[in-house]
Amino acid sequence: GNSVTQMEGPVTLSEEAFLTINCTYTATGYPSLFWYVQYPGEGLQLLLKATKADDKGSNKGFEATYRKETTSFHLEKGSVQVSDSAVYFCALSGAGSYQLTFGKGTKLSVIP
Amino acid sequence: GAGVSQSPSNKVTEKGKDVELRCDPISGHTALYWYRQSLGQGLEFLIYFQGNSAPDKSGLPSDRFSAERTGGSVSTLTIQRTQQEDSAVYLCASSLETGGKETQYFGPGTRLLVL
Repeated sequence: GNSVTQMEGPVTLSEEAFLTINCTYTATGYPSLFWYVQYPGEGLQLLLKATKADDKGSNKGFEATYRKETTSFHLEKGSVQVSDSAVYFCALSGAGSYQLTFGKGTKLSVIP
Repeated sequence: GAGVSQSPSNKVTEKGKDVELRCDPISGHTALYWYRQSLGQGLEFLIYFQGNSAPDKSGLPSDRFSAERTGGSVSTLTIQRTQQEDSAVYLCASSLETGGKETQYFGPGTRLLVL
C-alpha cells in the first residue's frame, strides 16, 4: 500500500534560518504529492502540491520538488519566520485515488 | 467564498452514548471525505463520498461508525456506543471532483472527547 515517511521532529530553528523537512514515499504508479500545514488552533491548509515528476510546488516562500528517482518531496524554505511555526504534513494521493495518505507530521518552532 | 464548516467544534460525551458530527462542504464540491486525527495514529482516512454515494467504507474503524450524505451536500458521521478510543479530532474535507490530483480542502475539525 501507499505510505509516507517524514522526519518527525520537533524542529526548532532561529528566525531567518534555512529549513528542510524530509519526506519520502512509497506508492505504485505516479502519485500526486502535497504539503499541508496546520497552524496552532487551526485546521489543515494546503501549502503546495506537485502532480508529476520534476514538478516544483511553491507557496509563501516554501518549495518542494517531486523527485521520482529518489521517491522524495522535501520541503524547503530559505529564511523562516516566527509565523511559520506550525505542524507540517507530507501527503500523497495515488493515481486515480481518492484518499490522502499522510506522514506523521513535523512540528516546527521558530524562535526570534 | 465560504470554506468547509464542521459542527460542533468540540464534543464531550460519556462512554456508550451516540454522537453525530456534521460537515458542510464547499458549495459545488462533489467529493467529501472524513479523516480522523489522533495522537497515536496520526491522520487516518475514514470514508469518502462522490455525490451521495460512499463507494468505499473500508476505512471505518468498526461497525459503530456510519456516515451519510444527503443532497450531495451536508454529511453526517455517526458514532454509536462511543468508546474512549474514539477520542480524536474528526476532520472533513471536500474537493471539486475525485481523483488523485484534486486538492482537498479541510474544515477546522470536531474535537471529540469520550469520558
